[in-house]
Amino acid sequence: KAGVTQTPRYLIKTRGQQVTLSCSPISGHRSVSWYQQTPGQGLQFLFEYFSETQRNKGNFPGRFSGRQFSNSRSEMNVSTLELGDSALYLCASSLHRGLYGYTFGSGTRLTVV
Amino acid sequence: AQKVTQAQTEISVVEKEDVTLDCVYETRDTTYYLFWYKQPPSGELVFLIRRNSFDEQNEISGRYSWNFQKSTSSFNFTITASQVVDSAVYFCALRSGYTGANSKLTFGKGITLSVRP
Repeated sequence: KAGVTQTPRYLIKTRGQQVTLSCSPISGHRSVSWYQQTPGQGLQFLFEYFSETQRNKGNFPGRFSGRQFSNSRSEMNVSTLELGDSALYLCASSLHRGLYGYTFGSGTRLTVV
Repeated sequence: AQKVTQAQTEISVVEKEDVTLDCVYETRDTTYYLFWYKQPPSGELVFLIRRNSFDEQNEISGRYSWNFQKSTSSFNFTITASQVVDSAVYFCALRSGYTGANSKLTFGKGITLSVRP
């Protein structure tokens, strides 16, 4: 079965712009979580969506937002981009909100210039 | 608060050597899950193992083995007879067994393993 699909794979944006990243989970998985990975901070939790509702949110500013659609696909949006937002953004798909594990996508590498 | 510590940052070994990656965790939950993930240069996190807090049995899968000790809050990972393909960053992670604020993965900083031919 298909894995977790994240698009685009690479993205270059300018400071002040906004960006939308997409994640399609494994078929049947209703939970999608997002993580930011940077060399300095490592892997940090952004938010979790389950059945189209945000269930949990990490310690990130309001410029980071997300949503989940009825087909479980999820998008995350970052507005007013800053240089520090440059990172690998990873999406994780799971059954039962991760109690049995998470499957990660290949990520979207965002570079802000 | 939950915390995962991977004190080793980089390890370099020669092929066929055994190597152990250490992981120490902190949690107040009585039910929790521990994970190991491998991240090759492509960036994707590859699932290796999940262990729940009630199962302290060690596990072996081919050249990989895991040692879970609740008494020392450790969940160490050993690669036997390492191979060049094992070169990657390895992450240990913790998840609460409950839904709520800790229903997320808390990761350690990762260990970069380099296996030289």
